[in-house]
Amino acid sequence: DGGITQSPKYLFRKEGQNVTLSCEQNLNHDAMYWYRQDPGQGLRLIYYSQIVNDFQKGDIAEGYSVSREKKESFPLTVTSAQKNPTAFYLCASSTARGHNEQFFGPGTRLTVL
Amino acid sequence: GNSVTQMEGPVTLSEEAFLTINCTYTATGYPSLFWYVQYPGEGLQLLLKATKADDKGSNKGFEATYRKETTSFHLEKGSVQVSDSAVYFCALSDRATGNQFYFGTGTSLTVIP
Repeated sequence: DGGITQSPKYLFRKEGQNVTLSCEQNLNHDAMYWYRQDPGQGLRLIYYSQIVNDFQKGDIAEGYSVSREKKESFPLTVTSAQKNPTAFYLCASSTARGHNEQFFGPGTRLTVL
Repeated sequence: GNSVTQMEGPVTLSEEAFLTINCTYTATGYPSLFWYVQYPGEGLQLLLKATKADDKGSNKGFEATYRKETTSFHLEKGSVQVSDSAVYFCALSDRATGNQFYFGTGTSLTVIP
């Protein structure tokens, strides 16, 4: 079955540590996205990539980094510079053309201890 | 710029009641409009979409009509079930801004037996 996988489902981190969230898709989509969701709030765009080896900052990129070395993978690193990283992180992908609905992964809940 | 405004929740309804969740938008170009649903602890799932004015999207008893004159895309269902309890997000994608997605803040729905 085609889809998007995110791992791990739950992640705990000590303050001052970097942590990497995985996102993989086998939908052959060109574009991939990372969102942050806080309780009771909508989605805020962190980074997005429309093609391999290229990515752009979203609305809240500070304290995060990404890479896009392969079409199917778009890992997100939450660095120690992110002041309040505890949140639910969602990865999505879409085609680059047409009426491109985004397909979402199941999410990773990150908690900083 | 682009933005989406949804009615604030939470919304609590009895089973078999009629549901309306209001959504209005602003867009610089000709957007596509979407409704997504999120169940607790999960990612977002596409519920329905409409890609041009006067289009009606429908799925699982939910409907929404793309109204350009009122810049609205209200979600409706004639008879809700307990299993419809979730958070609903209205979103737009605008080709004029590179197909970026803009999400509303979400509306939480609880259906009681």
